[in-house]
Amino acid sequence: EIVLTQSPGTLSLSPGERATLSCRASQSVSGSYLAWYQQKPGQAPRLLIYGASSGATGIPDRFSGSGSGTDFTLTISRLEPEDFAVYYCQQYGSSSLTFGGGTKVEIK
Amino acid sequence: EVQLLQSGAEVKKPGESLTISCRTSGYTFTDYWIGWVRQMPGKGLEWMGRIDPTDSYTNYNPSFQGRVRMSIDKSINTAFLQWSSLQASDTAIIYCARLGFEQLTFEFWGHGTLVTVSS
Repeated sequence: EIVLTQSPGTLSLSPGERATLSCRASQSVSGSYLAWYQQKPGQAPRLLIYGASSGATGIPDRFSGSGSGTDFTLTISRLEPEDFAVYYCQQYGSSSLTFGGGTKVEIK
Repeated sequence: EVQLLQSGAEVKKPGESLTISCRTSGYTFTDYWIGWVRQMPGKGLEWMGRIDPTDSYTNYNPSFQGRVRMSIDKSINTAFLQWSSLQASDTAIIYCARLGFEQLTFEFWGHGTLVTVSS
């Protein structure tokens, strides 16, 4: 099983700032099959990024993903008030899918 | 419009059985796998397993193998998740989601079913 470790656990930032979230895999994720999700309180998660860097339908371009192998990054270029939430990475390079533990982006 | 409508919240006692459902619409049901995800109170997301609606082929997370059972009724475009004997530690929000066609990402999600197990 591929273990995904997200850091930091919590990120305290102000609206307008740039957010950089990390997801590190215990072994290489084949095909860069890495996705990112956003979850707000009381809501189901929402797919943001797939294939490490491709934006899902309807996702604003301030969200971008990068990385390959074992190190992946989600960047939010300028935080909007609605972006404060918890973010999860997920790998699907192996048949046993796994999620990271999440990063909470909170208002500073 | 793709929709996944999950059954309502459940309150059960330890040892009881439970089946929750995920009714889909807005797409061809047999074209996409359905996945199940658990979120325990205040915790992160855990993949439970996935099922192919075409032939009911399943792929379980080893942590959930033998603890839950996934099934499909193609006639009503619905997926089911079943527990035969609930434990207090099964208390969680359970989400169903449609997986992508080529990428095994969770593209569309149900609203979640809260399962509470308490004596």
